[in-house]
Amino acid sequence: DAKTTQPPSMDCAEGRAANLPCNHSTISGNEYVYWYRQIHSQGPQYIIHGLKNNETNEMASLIITEDRKSSTLILPHATLRDTAVYYCIVRDLTGTASKLTFGTGTRLQVTL
Amino acid sequence: KAGVTQTPRYLIKTRGQQVTLSCSPISGHRSVSWYQQTPGQGLQFLFEYFSETQRNKGNFPGRFSGRQFSNSRSEMNVSTLELGDSALYLCASSEGVVGYGYTFGSGTRLTVV
Repeated sequence: DAKTTQPPSMDCAEGRAANLPCNHSTISGNEYVYWYRQIHSQGPQYIIHGLKNNETNEMASLIITEDRKSSTLILPHATLRDTAVYYCIVRDLTGTASKLTFGTGTRLQVTL
Repeated sequence: KAGVTQTPRYLIKTRGQQVTLSCSPISGHRSVSWYQQTPGQGLQFLFEYFSETQRNKGNFPGRFSGRQFSNSRSEMNVSTLELGDSALYLCASSEGVVGYGYTFGSGTRLTVV
């Protein structure tokens, strides 16, 4: 799996948008971009995934650059409950290698 | 529907002992994966099972093993426990072999003393 690079930590004021960047410059054509988050002492939670187009669901939006070498996860109105470690993962769905390779992630701290 | 259930939630074992952890996937999910999380190494993939067959294995010693039953429930076993095996062990399930999204359980916190 291609590797990803994320800033180790970020702060965001409650109610503001949180924009979490991820670099995946060696991503291949078959690899999707996934985002998970892990709230302290819980299992990771799936947020969103995409291949080329921007994606939006009830939790977040995913913006993928045209060259697919980077992406941004957007939490439109961050709350204190969004404080967590956010993992950006690239993953090939075409083969049988289905594991998730987690990096160190970004620790997002949402403050009042 | 019920989520991924892992038992027990907490476990304390002594060095040299062996331990078995259990995971019940979401109903209808046939793929179960196991991960180890430690402060030093982060989240690391252990293995994945689909329809009772191991499909993928991470880079862990042979002391770590697993299996999946016909009802998709899975167990992982660690023999001859070492202090370094202290970790949060997480189970995740998905519908297929290459599922679009994995649902994780809350994990089993294993402490080896």
